[in-house]
Amino acid sequence: DAGVIQSPRHEVTEMGQEVTLRCKPISGHDYLFWYRQTMMRGLELLIYFNNNVPIDDSGMPEDRFSAKMPNASFSTLKIQPSEPRDSAVYFCASSSSEGSGGYEQYFGPGTRLTVT
Amino acid sequence: AQKITQTQPGMFVQEKEAVTLDCTYDTSDPSYGLFWYKQPSSGEMIFLIYQGSYDQQNATEGRYSLNFQKARKSANLVISASQLGDSAMYFCAMREVYSSASKIIFGSGTRLSIRP
Repeated sequence: DAGVIQSPRHEVTEMGQEVTLRCKPISGHDYLFWYRQTMMRGLELLIYFNNNVPIDDSGMPEDRFSAKMPNASFSTLKIQPSEPRDSAVYFCASSSSEGSGGYEQYFGPGTRLTVT
Repeated sequence: AQKITQTQPGMFVQEKEAVTLDCTYDTSDPSYGLFWYKQPSSGEMIFLIYQGSYDQQNATEGRYSLNFQKARKSANLVISASQLGDSAMYFCAMREVYSSASKIIFGSGTRLSIRP
């Protein structure tokens, strides 16, 4: 089975530009999470969705960040306008509420964003 | 107060030795889950093992086992017969079923280096 797919893997952009990160969760998973990882702040949860509905966006840094999940197989995280402090690795993860497991999250490979 | 504490920022272990990575947690939720993730230098986050708070036995997955001591609120990861490929960052994480639903809280990580 395919894992979580993210694109692009690397993005270099100039300050002020719009950046769109994309994620395809594992088929059948009903939860989707967006994280940001930096050396200074570690792994931060930005927002998560359940059945395509945003549940908690309290981790979104500011209004420049927005996320959507138009259907069960696609989500985007958009930064507009981007700033150098947004440089980080952005992970998408998905999990399932089915089964007897613990809702473990499976991560995509991440998008390394550099804003100059 | 931190929910997940990993007190070892870095560890060096000789190849083939067993290694224990420490993790303590803090929750008042009666139902919770504990996870360990591995992040090698390539950057991906890999789910290793899960332990539910009501599980009677310690979880095991191949060379990984979780030493769950509920009264002490510790969930140490034990890697038996360490290999060079085990060199990575390891994150302990927790999900509080009632308090935070599907969110997972991550610790700051322990960097494990295996010496040949």
